[in-house]
Amino acid sequence: EVQLVESGGGLIQPGGSLRLSCAASEFTGRVDYMSWVRQAPGKGLEWVSVTDIRGTTNYADSVKGRFTISRDNSKNTLYLEMNNLRVEDTAVYFCAAVDYGPGSSGPFFNGLDVWGQGTTVTVSS
Amino acid sequence: DIQLTQSPSFLSASVGDRVTITCRASQGISSYLAWYQQKPGKAPELLIYAASTLQSGVPSRFSGSGSGTAFTLTIKSLQPEDFASYYCQQLNSYPLTFGGGTKVEIE
Repeated sequence: EVQLVESGGGLIQPGGSLRLSCAASEFTGRVDYMSWVRQAPGKGLEWVSVTDIRGTTNYADSVKGRFTISRDNSKNTLYLEMNNLRVEDTAVYFCAAVDYGPGSSGPFFNGLDVWGQGTTVTVSS
Repeated sequence: DIQLTQSPSFLSASVGDRVTITCRASQGISSYLAWYQQKPGKAPELLIYAASTLQSGVPSRFSGSGSGTAFTLTIKSLQPEDFASYYCQQLNSYPLTFGGGTKVEIE
């Protein structure tokens, strides 16, 4: 089974930048779609972004224009570039593989079935 | 954006109880709904997808139902390892929103 390991979290001042990485044990069709999800301290899950193997991306409104998701298939790695960080971006960030199936009008998603352990981002002065 | 409203937010129950959690979508999402379980300090785990399909390895005491805007997660007989938080997520359209979560605590 695919295993995911995040890294790159840390303490950063408001307005700063950080890049998270998610290394996958394999980058085959099993991880065609990859996503980032975050969880602020004591709060629920918040979907952040998704990308597919071709590099098509989608974002939550709360991060659009500040965060960029990307992947390097040659390195089996998913990234999240985070710019202009805000205090409210403080969270544990998880990467996850999206299980999907073929549909008549395009792929449909089943759910996020493989998760990393998370990396903590703290935005504070 | 599609909003998901979970209820209740907190639930106290005993081992052996039947537990039902509800997730309501602000607009129809067909059956594109997943349920997750999360224990403290751990990543979420996928329990159910397509509203009612049990993920491989998940005990059969878990079940899901619903379509359109109303969905339920049922735990037939609560076990000690089931005390956790549960989240629904819609995968019908972007953004792929989560519900606010339900924390199941020991009564």
